[in-house]
Amino acid sequence: AQTVTQSQPEMSVQEAETVTLSCTYDTSESNYYLFWYKQPPSRQMILVIRQEAYKQQNATENRFSVNFQKAAKSFSLKISDSQLGDTAMYFCAFGLRANSKLTFGKGITLSVRP
Amino acid sequence: DAGITQSPRYKITETGRQVTLMCHQTWSHSYMFWYRQDLGHGLRLIYYSAAADITDKGEVPDGYVVSRSKTENFPLTLESATRSQTSVYFCASSDPSGTAHYNEQFFGPGTRLTVL
Repeated sequence: AQTVTQSQPEMSVQEAETVTLSCTYDTSESNYYLFWYKQPPSRQMILVIRQEAYKQQNATENRFSVNFQKAAKSFSLKISDSQLGDTAMYFCAFGLRANSKLTFGKGITLSVRP
Repeated sequence: DAGITQSPRYKITETGRQVTLMCHQTWSHSYMFWYRQDLGHGLRLIYYSAAADITDKGEVPDGYVVSRSKTENFPLTLESATRSQTSVYFCASSDPSGTAHYNEQFFGPGTRLTVL
């Protein structure tokens, strides 16, 4: 079974600064995906970024990028130029290519201070 | 409306009552999922379905029943609600055969259920 660990329950960052959210996972599989989802106060789950395990290049989406360390089973999310709208809970998730199930971490609450 | 919808958005019920949460998607995605979200636990999978008439248990299935007679609908029933089932419930869908989104799951807006 796969596990996803987000050990920091809360973080805070000043607007315009950079913040990194940590995530580690455990699996014996080699073919998988990793995701970061954002959940703002509206409760809607929004995909932020996706990483395919077989790709060595770290994924980027505008101000969001990941540091994917496959050997260390680490998948951190970096948010550059933080904005007030980034205030949300962020979930790291693991998915196998063989099926569509996702395993989520417990989430981290990020607050962006003006 | 296009996308994935859930109803009701809010529900208050009493212990022992049967409650059904509805989920409908318009994309014809093969996979559908039900999660519950509780503080300190993140999202936990209750049940999932790979296609119509195919369902399987997730991490926390006890006390819940699902069915999927049509691809687009995936209702979740609490046969006899308990206070421990007070939670926010999310439905999601995905299409692993699609080339664009791989295993990405698309989520509904959630249903906040309170069991008194």
